[in-house]
This record gives sequence, structure tokens and C-alpha cells, in this order.
Amino acid sequence: QVQLVQSGAEVKKPGASVKISCKASGYTFISYFMYWVRQAPGQGLEWMGIINPSDGDTTYSQRFQGRLTMTRVTSTGTLYMDLSSLRSDDTAVYYCARGRGSGSAQSFDYWGQGTLVTVSS
Amino acid sequence: QSVLTQPPSVSGAPGQRVTISCTGSRSNIGAGYDVHWYQQFPGTAPKVLIYDNTDRPSGVPDRFSGSKSGTSASLAITGLQAEDEADYYCQSYDNSLSGLVFGGGTKLTVL
Repeated sequence: QVQLVQSGAEVKKPGASVKISCKASGYTFISYFMYWVRQAPGQGLEWMGIINPSDGDTTYSQRFQGRLTMTRVTSTGTLYMDLSSLRSDDTAVYYCARGRGSGSAQSFDYWGQGTLVTVSS
Repeated sequence: QSVLTQPPSVSGAPGQRVTISCTGSRSNIGAGYDVHWYQQFPGTAPKVLIYDNTDRPSGVPDRFSGSKSGTSASLAITGLQAEDEADYYCQSYDNSLSGLVFGGGTKLTVL
């Protein structure tokens, strides 16, 4: 069965960076685009970026340009999301999610369990 | 402000029908991009309820249905049950932002 297992919670100081992992299993890793979505406490969902695990090509939301780096290691089926210059409003649960469907408006059929990142001095 | 607009809350009694709207613009829903709906319970990851405007994944009851027209989409829930109390989000793509967009979410309360 498809599983996306994320790394554990993180506490970071403002200005620091955080790197979260998402290990995929149960399907052919390079066959599906992968996404990162975040949710601040009590708030809605926010799309951060997309990565093509086949070639590593990425597209980031304009809101995170210059701060966000998404990578993958195909040999282990693992994705990474690196967010730098953290601010207090980056405090959120971060999810990896698998894309399905054709075209630009993919939906997310499987989600990781989420990783809470707390940014506090 | 979310690119897609949803009512913050809706409510209904058990057995009733409720609808949740998702209003976009010509750069997203109105441009023909598919709309998807997610259900989220507190402390858990969202789960896809409706994809590609009207399709239900296996396991999702047929009490849930989706529609799309013009620059808007809707999620309808019939035969409301207490277990439907959750947050619901719509999602699509926006070509002016060149990225995926979500609605702000709607909290469904079952009275």
C-alpha cells in the first residue's frame, strides 16, 4: 500500500533553516509528481511547491522563492523540503502529498502524516 | 485572502443536505482547471473527497458529490451524519500564479 512517512517535529529559531524528509513506499517513486503543502495553526492549506521525482525538476510558489528547496533521492524513494530564513509565521504543519491526474491541476491522493515545525526564539 | 473563496462555516441537521461553494475567477476555475475537494479532521492530514470536479475515490460514500460551473464549484453532502463534521477545502490551479491554489476552508457543523 502507498505510504508517505515524514520525519518528526522540529523546533527552530528565527533565521534558521529546517529540512523535512518524506519517505515514499508502495509505488513506483519516479512515476508521480510530489508536492509540499503547509498549514499554519488554525489556518487553511497552502501549496508550497512541486517536484518531479524522475528528473528533480521543481516549481515553487512565488511566496517561497529563494527560501525553499525541494530535492529527492531516487535510490531511497525519499523527498526533502528545505526552508531557510525561518520566521515565526513559518510555524505550521508541513505535508508531503502525491499528485494524481493529468494536467496542471493535479489532486493529492496520498498525504504524509505531517511534520510540525515551530519557529520560536 | 485565499484565491478560491469558500464560506467559513456551514451547518445542518442530521439527514439534511448542505452545499459548500468554492468561487474562483477566470484564471483558475473559469479557465477550465479541475477542482478537487478534501475533508480534514482535527489533527489529521486532509483526505481527497472529490477529484476532477465530480469523481469520487473508492470508499467515499455517494452522499458526497461535486459540481462545477463557470468560475465556481460546489460540494454537496446529502443525508448529513455526525461523522461528516470536519473542515472542507477546495483546490484548483491558477494560471496567473502558475501554481496550485486552495480555498480558505469551510467548517461543517452537524447540529
